[in-house]
Amino acid sequence: DIVMTQSPLSLPVTLGQPASISCRSSQSLVHSDGNTYLNWYQQRPGQSPRRLIYKVSNRDSGVPDRFSGSGSGTDFTLKISRVEAEDVGVYYCMQGTYWWTFGQGTKVEIK
Amino acid sequence: EVQLVESGGGLVQPGGSLRLSCEASGFIFSNYWMSWVRQAPGKGLEWVANVKQDGNEKYYVDSVKGRFTISRDNAKNSLYLQMNSLRVEDTAVYYCARLEYITGRRGFDYWGQGTLVTVSS
Repeated sequence: DIVMTQSPLSLPVTLGQPASISCRSSQSLVHSDGNTYLNWYQQRPGQSPRRLIYKVSNRDSGVPDRFSGSGSGTDFTLKISRVEAEDVGVYYCMQGTYWWTFGQGTKVEIK
Repeated sequence: EVQLVESGGGLVQPGGSLRLSCEASGFIFSNYWMSWVRQAPGKGLEWVANVKQDGNEKYYVDSVKGRFTISRDNAKNSLYLQMNSLRVEDTAVYYCARLEYITGRRGFDYWGQGTLVTVSS
């Protein structure tokens, strides 16, 4: 089974400052079709998860452009260019190359 | 607008059964794989089961195989999860999620609000 490991697990940030979350997989997420199926999800307090990014770096409709995804192989990153109050919540990476597994989550809070 | 509305959660004793439902609207239900994903209290997300558009392919996480059954009724735009032999560790919020499962896009793109299942004596 593929294990997804996120760091840090807790991320206090100052409003307006950037934030970065790392996600590593236990094996390469490159699918036999050539695509890398790595998604990022945001879960605000008391809400359902919402997908932000699919296939490493593609933003879903309606997702602000301050969110960006990058990476390849086994190492991936979600960046928030300037954190806003509405960005508070838990962020999960998820691989869809070999079934579906999530990282442990990174809690983003305002300092 | 895509909407997924779960129901059927509640309190059940260990060894008991429960059937969850999810009513979908705002998209052509029969065109999509559908899934259940759960989240134990204060914990992360765990994929539980998937079902193909026609209901003929089903996949489960190892921990629920033989105990849970996913199904769908395309005429009713509904997804189901029959949960038998429930264990304390099955306690979680269960989310219905639409699954994109095509070349180039694989992942859960829409989620319901969730329904809480509590397994306790």
